[in-house]
Amino acid sequence: DAGVIQSPRHEVTEMGQEVTLRCKPISGHDYLFWYRQTMMRGLELLIYFNNNVPIDDSGMPEDRFSAKMPNASFSTLKIQPSEPRDSAVYFCASSSGSQPQHFGDGTRLSIL
Amino acid sequence: GQNIDQPTEMTATEGAIVQINCTYQTSGFNGLFWYQQHAGEAPTFLSYNVLDGLEEKGRFSSFLSRSKGYSYLLLKELQMKDSASYLCAVRLDYKLSFGAGTTVTVRA
Repeated sequence: DAGVIQSPRHEVTEMGQEVTLRCKPISGHDYLFWYRQTMMRGLELLIYFNNNVPIDDSGMPEDRFSAKMPNASFSTLKIQPSEPRDSAVYFCASSSGSQPQHFGDGTRLSIL
Repeated sequence: GQNIDQPTEMTATEGAIVQINCTYQTSGFNGLFWYQQHAGEAPTFLSYNVLDGLEEKGRFSSFLSRSKGYSYLLLKELQMKDSASYLCAVRLDYKLSFGAGTTVTVRA
C-alpha cells in the first residue's frame, strides 16, 4: 500500500519567495495533519483537517502560513513570503479516525 | 498547555534492555503514543496506550499510568538498528503533542 506522499523532498529557496508543500494522504484516511520539526522546537502540529475541513489551525505560526485541502487526496501548505526562520522539516501525516497517524517522508525546507 | 518530558539521550549495549520514561502534564488525555524516528527519516508508529497497563509488541513494550501521568517504552534484546530517536506523544482529541524525543545509541 502506498503511504503518505509528500513533495518536494527538498526545497531550497531565497527569502521572500513563495513556497508550496504538497501532500497526498493514504487513501481512505479522513484526518490529515501538517507538522514542522526543528532542533529547537521539536515536532509541532501546525494544522489538521477532518474530511477536508480545517479543524484546528492554532499551531500555524502566523499569517504567512496557509493550508488547504481541496479534496480527500490532496493538501498544500504555503508560506508566503518565506523567511530563514521557516527552515525546517515539514511532515504531513494522515489517519483513519482515532487510529495511529502515519507520516510522510517530509520536505526539508531551507530558506536562504 | 502541554508539558511532556523525556530524557534527552540514552546509551545501551547490543542485546541489553533499555527503558525510556515519559512524564506528562496536559490539559486533557485521549491516549499516549510512542514513535521511532531514525535520523533523516519520518516518525514511525510503535505503540499506543489508552488504558493503564502494559502493551507488548514483540521486542517493544509500553506501559501507562494515567494517575501518575507516566509512561515508559521498554526495548528488549537491543539491536544496532534500534539506534534512533523515540518520541512520546499525548493525544488530546485528535491532536498529538510530542515530547522532544530520546536519542538511543546502541553500542556493540
